[in-house]
Amino acid sequence: EAGVTQFPSHSVIEKGQTVTLRCDPISGHDNLYWYRRVMGKEIKFLLHFVKESKQDESGMPNNRFLAERTGGTYSTLKVQPAELEDSGVYFCASSQEQGPYEQYFGPGTRLTVT
Amino acid sequence: GIQVEQSPPDLILQEGANSTLRCNFSDSVNNLQWFHQNPWGQLINLFYIPSGTKQNGRLSATTVATERYSLLYISSSQTTDSGVYFCAVETNWGAAGNKLTFGGGTRVLVKP
Repeated sequence: EAGVTQFPSHSVIEKGQTVTLRCDPISGHDNLYWYRRVMGKEIKFLLHFVKESKQDESGMPNNRFLAERTGGTYSTLKVQPAELEDSGVYFCASSQEQGPYEQYFGPGTRLTVT
Repeated sequence: GIQVEQSPPDLILQEGANSTLRCNFSDSVNNLQWFHQNPWGQLINLFYIPSGTKQNGRLSATTVATERYSLLYISSSQTTDSGVYFCAVETNWGAAGNKLTFGGGTRVLVKP
């Protein structure tokens, strides 16, 4: 069974540009989560989808971040326009809707904004 | 929100040594997970352990939910055990399957 996959693995963009990150959860997992770790800080929650619905987006830092999960399968996280402080590693995770609620993480996308 | 504290922040071990990592949390939890972040940055699931004790090879974990802490034991450490170990918890507010709150991690270096 394939794990959580993320694309790209690394992205370098200039301040003001747009970047879109993609996450494919484990097949059959209705819960999908985005997290990020900025340099030197803890891994922080961004938002949680249940199927295509946003269950909790309390961790989204501002309106430059837009997450979507059309059709309840893969998800995208767009940053527009990117700022220097957005640099970090963005992780995606998934879990089953009915439990157990063990979350499985993807390899992450390292975003560098210059 | 819930606070998650891990100790020690850094640990240097000689290969073959045993060690204990601790995770304290400030509120009741639905879920607790231990992860190992390998040198490539990937978070590897070690244990899903909201309560009780589990063992997997040289690793074992115990969560005492009533006292709000969890312990991760590494026995006969190997150089491949190096990396950062994270504890993460899901609070039991409302429905299950919610966000994880991570501790700051314990950075482990096992020397040959």
